[in-house]
Amino acid sequence: QSVLTQPPSVSAAPGQKVTISCSGRSSKIGNNYISWYQQLPGTAPKLLIYDNNKRPSGIPDRFSGSKSGTSATLGITGLQTGDEAAYYCATWDSSLSAGVVFGGGTKLTVL
Amino acid sequence: EVQLVQPGTEVKKPGESLRISCKAAGYSFTTYWIDWVRQMPGKGLEWMGRIDPSDSDTNYSPSFQGHVTISTDKSINTAYLQWSSLKASDTAMYYCARQRYGAYDFDYWGQGTLVSVSS
Repeated sequence: QSVLTQPPSVSAAPGQKVTISCSGRSSKIGNNYISWYQQLPGTAPKLLIYDNNKRPSGIPDRFSGSKSGTSATLGITGLQTGDEAAYYCATWDSSLSAGVVFGGGTKLTVL
Repeated sequence: EVQLVQPGTEVKKPGESLRISCKAAGYSFTTYWIDWVRQMPGKGLEWMGRIDPSDSDTNYSPSFQGHVTISTDKSINTAYLQWSSLKASDTAMYYCARQRYGAYDFDYWGQGTLVSVSS
């Protein structure tokens, strides 16, 4: 079971907005940046959001990130069928077992 | 252009050894950590460990410590993930990823190597 908790699935219609949550204990999320990855079917993950709310070059502003306390949220507006993918949050775990931790992933279905 | 190139598929039998590669191009190899991430069939992403190619400093997830070894060859800009004795449960997709400088996220990923272990 992942230390970062995400809903297993979300769905919305094309053109709508969806949010995906990522929550964890304070030692996991509280003091460290959150990143988000998109994994389209059969492909490698791609960085969508880093440092909680920054987008790499080439990522459209339909994708946004936020963080408050021990929770983070990925928002996607103007949903497209091409957004159908698995989305993962991640952070650095600075506890004794230091390393990157991923959320369990959320499958987005665009109805 | 930054690229991380991995072989497509490796098919092995239980008990065999394996080393898979991740060849980097388009950037200074020794400047960025390289990480390995496992994805079992139909499952999520799991961080395995990382290596600093400049000095071979490594960190492993407790879940993988002692089961795999991460290494690099700076002369050919290549990182490796190896097993000494594979198990059927090692069947998975393995991705290498470049850690963004000074951060703990991954800005470039390899296309993944599918490791299939079956008798």
